[in-house]
This record gives sequence, structure tokens and C-alpha cells, in this order.
Amino acid sequence: NAGVTQTPKFRVLKTGQSMTLLCAQDMNHEYMYWYRQDPGMGLRLIHYSVGEGTTAKGEVPDGYNVSRLKKQNFLLGLESAAPSQTSVYFCASRPADRAGNQPQHFGDGTRLSIL
Amino acid sequence: GIQVEQSPPDLILQEGANSTLRCNFSDSVNNLQWFHQNPWGQLINLFYIPSGTKQNGRLSATTVATERYSLLYISSSQTTDSGVYFCAVGPGGSYIPTFGRGTSLIVHP
Repeated sequence: NAGVTQTPKFRVLKTGQSMTLLCAQDMNHEYMYWYRQDPGMGLRLIHYSVGEGTTAKGEVPDGYNVSRLKKQNFLLGLESAAPSQTSVYFCASRPADRAGNQPQHFGDGTRLSIL
Repeated sequence: GIQVEQSPPDLILQEGANSTLRCNFSDSVNNLQWFHQNPWGQLINLFYIPSGTKQNGRLSATTVATERYSLLYISSSQTTDSGVYFCAVGPGGSYIPTFGRGTSLIVHP
């Protein structure tokens, strides 16, 4: 019973490099989210998706792109990594419910350092 | 957007003590969760509680939606309770929960 799985768990990049973080969920959830967490802060939403083929911007979308080609996967891309993107990234998923009455389920996070 | 304030920001306890964590929010919600982020960084669901009271072992939570706050009670605290506790709320019809900044709890043996 995997739930939400994030890959990789840790990564170190050099400034200007690109990479993709993968989030996979096996619960058939419609909604998926990418957050970043910085020291002393709560989680801030980067992008989210309410279904396969759809994406939308969250609170801090600049410097990131996302894709949801398959329902179970939500990819977060950094085209040209910057030190300000050093953070812990969390993915979450949630069943569809237009009233918002469903809890989120989180992955274990990806710790990303940009040198 | 909705504002979420958690208090206290930091809490230090001796093992065995009880504590109450508070989450205030600025608008009506129909989605509220409490999470524990353990020292390894994992986010653990504690309660999904948009209203009412729930209990799970030594932890319980109460949300008074009409007064826009939720409380998380930890009784007989243990060192494994250490970490950061977050509440996340969502107004009606919203796909997007808003997180508070958390309460950092340290429980000493």
C-alpha cells in the first residue's frame, strides 16, 4: 500500500541545471499538489492539478513547470535551477470533491539543494 | 485569501505534561486537517476535522467552525511527540488548503 511516492528523496544540483521530480499515487486521486517547505515556514503551494491533463499555478509558481499526463503521476520540473529553489518539496493527493471535504495525503518529501 | 495563525509558535514540555495547540482562521472553512511533521520531515495525518471533536489515543482535536478555530490536545506527552504541528484549512469549494506556520514542540525526557 504505497500511497504517495516521491522520487528522488535527495538531490544536489548546480545552478543552471535542470531536473524533474516525480510524484506517483496509487489511490486513484483526482487532485494532486506540489508544495515547497522552507525553514520556519509552513508549506507553500507551487502548482496543483485537478485532473489528468490539467494544471494550475499556486502561490509560488515562478521557476517551476508541471505536467499531469497520467492521472497517477504529477511531475515538477526545474528548467534552470537557482539557489533560491533549495528547499524540501512535498507532493500531496486528494480524492475529488468539489466541496473540498476530503483530506490530503502526503509523500515523504524530496530534499533538494542547489549549489 | 484565508489567513491561518497557529499558536504558540514554540513549545517545550517535560515528558508527561499536557498541552493545547491552537489554529485560528479568518474565514469559514469546510476542510481542516492537523498534521505532525516528525524529526525526519515526514508529514503524518493526525485528524481531518472540519467540525466537532475527534480522539485518537492521547491526541484529540476540536474544531469550532462558527468561531473559526481548532484546538489540538496532547495528553501525557512523550518524546516521540516532538516535531512541528501544522493545521491546514480550506474554504468551501476550494481545492487548495492553506497551511499555518506550525507549532514546534520539543518534549524532554
